[in-house]
Amino acid sequence: EAQLVESGGGLVQSGGALRLSCAASGLNIDNDWMHWVRQIPGKGMMWISRINRDGSRTSYADSVKGRFTISRDNAKSMVYLEMNRLTVEDTAVYYCGRGGNLFDPWGQGVWVTVSS
Amino acid sequence: DIQMTQSPSTLSASVGDRVTITCRASESIDRWLAWYQHRPGKAPHLLIYDVSTLESGVPSRFSGSGFGTEFTLTISSLQPDDFATYFCQQYSSYSPYTFGQGTRLE
Repeated sequence: EAQLVESGGGLVQSGGALRLSCAASGLNIDNDWMHWVRQIPGKGMMWISRINRDGSRTSYADSVKGRFTISRDNAKSMVYLEMNRLTVEDTAVYYCGRGGNLFDPWGQGVWVTVSS
Repeated sequence: DIQMTQSPSTLSASVGDRVTITCRASESIDRWLAWYQHRPGKAPHLLIYDVSTLESGVPSRFSGSGFGTEFTLTISSLQPDDFATYFCQQYSSYSPYTFGQGTRLE
């Protein structure tokens, strides 16, 4: 089955860091843009970051620019999100998704909780 | 940023009902709109893109319409599997992509 699986979430103190991973299985992501999207409890989805197929182009939402870094390792079919200087406002479920402008498939998401 | 506003936020319905969810964009997005289904604890699932094109495998009871700033998702006859949250996404602008806040169908 083609799927994306996120990992690396958890509880971290404000100011701390986490690295999320997104593993692709049953599908080839080498030639695809990949994205991270998050959902704060009770709110809608918010796009966070994207990376092109060879990692040479990235972009970020203003709210995470300078704190988060997206990267990928096509040999391992992995995408990463390095999150630094976390704040309580970063508490959310984080999803990875494959695609250009559309997200298909998505992963099931991973919780990130930032405590004060 | 292009704001996407969905209504209603919650919709109560029964099996067999016809339901419609609306998504409004703060500026014209032409036909660059997608709809997703999201069940709790599961991965969101692409249903419709380019306003009205059904993703492969999506039942024909799902349909989408609209242009510019106003869009609708219609489910013609609700099935038990359809009770989930639905959200729209614009991809007219990728800086950033933006989503509606979701409609929970219960």
